[in-house]
Amino acid sequence: DAGITQSPRHKVTETGTPVTLRCHQTENHRYMYWYRQDPGHGLRLIHYSYGVKDTDKGEVSDGYSVSRSKTEDFLLTLESATSSQTSVYFCAISEISGVTDTQYFGPGTRLTVL
Amino acid sequence: KQEVTQIPAALSVPEGENLVLNCSFTDSAIYNLQWFRQDPGKGLTSLLLIQSSQREQTSGRLNASLDKSSGRSTLYIAASQPGDSATYLCAVCTGNQFYFGTGTSLTVIP
Repeated sequence: DAGITQSPRHKVTETGTPVTLRCHQTENHRYMYWYRQDPGHGLRLIHYSYGVKDTDKGEVSDGYSVSRSKTEDFLLTLESATSSQTSVYFCAISEISGVTDTQYFGPGTRLTVL
Repeated sequence: KQEVTQIPAALSVPEGENLVLNCSFTDSAIYNLQWFRQDPGKGLTSLLLIQSSQREQTSGRLNASLDKSSGRSTLYIAASQPGDSATYLCAVCTGNQFYFGTGTSLTVIP
């Protein structure tokens, strides 16, 4: 849906290393989101973007940064990965139709921090 | 802060049964509510979206209702099939942010 891809799809890394996840969309949507999904917590918002170079924090932003230099790409960076950041990360876009926002999700990235 | 709760966490039903999944939220100031389906190891697929001014939406065997004043939504699945087995999540939109429940894991037994 909505031409959303995420890369990589799987990654194993070690504690203390930097990690960057990429979300790419092909349909010029203004709003993009990064979530993490963990058992017992559901999906929690990390950061979101409402335009190029316009970003804001979500519920669980500590330890994460984002960048959006082009409409189609939204990058999530873990500056120094920790084991607590082992999770499945989903990117989403918001498609606005009239007054309604509908979210569409990418396939997810499974990150393991050893 | 908006809290979204889904009960039950898991549900198992025989094929052909009609069923209801529940979603409740604490702050009624929402723009819309969306129901998603998630298959194991996959992303989320949007099923239905109800605007805050609407009471219900229907798509095929699915019907979602919204009672904003009481902070509740239900997803009704008619004549369940094994292919309906998945986790169902609801999410409420408040401005630019979406808040998700933890989902109901549905198993439909052939």
